[in-house]
Amino acid sequence: DAGITQSPRHKVTETGTPVTLRCHQTENHRYMYWYRQDPGHGLRLIHYSYGVKDTDKGEVSDGYSVSRSKTEDFLLTLESATSSQTSVYFCAISEGGSEQYFGPGTRLTVT
Amino acid sequence: GEDVEQSLFLSVREGDSSVINCTYTDSSSTYLYWYKQEPGAGLQLLTYIFSNMDMKQDQRLTVLLNKKDKHLSLRIADTQTGDSAIYFCAESPGYSTLTFGKGTMLLVSP
Repeated sequence: DAGITQSPRHKVTETGTPVTLRCHQTENHRYMYWYRQDPGHGLRLIHYSYGVKDTDKGEVSDGYSVSRSKTEDFLLTLESATSSQTSVYFCAISEGGSEQYFGPGTRLTVT
Repeated sequence: GEDVEQSLFLSVREGDSSVINCTYTDSSSTYLYWYKQEPGAGLQLLTYIFSNMDMKQDQRLTVLLNKKDKHLSLRIADTQTGDSAIYFCAESPGYSTLTFGKGTMLLVSP
């Protein structure tokens, strides 16, 4: 993996609790992305960032917020987790906005 | 909006060639990608092709692009059991975001 870490790698939480997932890169790439992967849906973009403090919504952004205060970190927050947000979450990075490199993923279970 | 379609499953024998197909709808696609995902892992970029190319070869991998029909294929020569994985096709207009297909599971039997 191209200098991308995600934390935590696994998390179990209860419905209604807030959850924050962290993506950290050491490549100094401009773009960072959050995806979720679910059976039958492939990968769907949640939010992405094209620079510090610059973010935009993806296909499935409802219920999620993001923040990027430093080039190397991109946080995904579920303000009040629901069972429909049980998924595997992947972070990706890109220098030019097209060719993307993925992190190892975070498996989130909301009970 | 953009859409990328792939067949869900392909089964081949070790040593055979595998061909994974993908169709896309966005005529402004500039780059087309193939990613590989092994169980429990993230996506690994395998190869990509620019929309002004017809073919790209990289060792055992051959990518064919028919821009008129918006059809992309990935051929894996001499398929090995280690090639068993999910393969994703993705397209991009050349900036910011990718649109992924749902993935094709390749199963290679000895």
